[in-house]
Amino acid sequence: SQQGEEDPQALSIQEGENATMNCSYKTSINNLQWYRQNSGRGLVHLILIRSNEREKHSGRLRVTLDTSKKSSSLLITASRAADTASYFCAPFSGQNFVFGPGTRLSVLP
Amino acid sequence: GAGVSQSPSNKVTEKGKDVELRCDPISGHTALYWYRQRLGQGLEFLIYFQGNSAPDKSGLPSDRFSAERTGESVSTLTIQRTQQEDSAVYLCASSFVGRGQETQYFGPGTRLLVL
Repeated sequence: SQQGEEDPQALSIQEGENATMNCSYKTSINNLQWYRQNSGRGLVHLILIRSNEREKHSGRLRVTLDTSKKSSSLLITASRAADTASYFCAPFSGQNFVFGPGTRLSVLP
Repeated sequence: GAGVSQSPSNKVTEKGKDVELRCDPISGHTALYWYRQRLGQGLEFLIYFQGNSAPDKSGLPSDRFSAERTGESVSTLTIQRTQQEDSAVYLCASSFVGRGQETQYFGPGTRLLVL
């Protein structure tokens, strides 16, 4: 199974600032996904980027993928207090995948 | 249609008792996952079902843990002789593998407290 490792473990920013989270993985992938967890319950899928894509946008989210470095980044622009959550990356290699410990983002008003 | 549902939402049990957690995946989803998440921690993979293939049980922490799934429907996770360290939120997710999406849809989880 494939596990993503997020970095940093925790991040605090002011409302309106941008937040960048990174993810590294070890083996080749079909796609990489980012998820958000707000309240210690279920995760919500944010965005999926395929191995042949380099960048993808969805609203205030921008995801990049560098397969040569086996890394991805998630950028949240113009952050809001409601973005406060844990963010997980999930590299998918065709079998099951394992979530890493996540990045805990705190957006301060 | 309806999302992934889990029951019960919360479960308090005494050490040594058995518990059974239920997951109803989204209809038509071939893959089903169970995860455990301790307070303030990341997700810990437990078990993965994909269609009629043998499940991937590599994440089950001990032989007290077992899970079943009938076809592509409901799954139950059973914890026998519960211990206090089993206290956690147990999350279930389902996905339709094969369309190239493999997005996981999570249920709300079952919060288990072992006294």
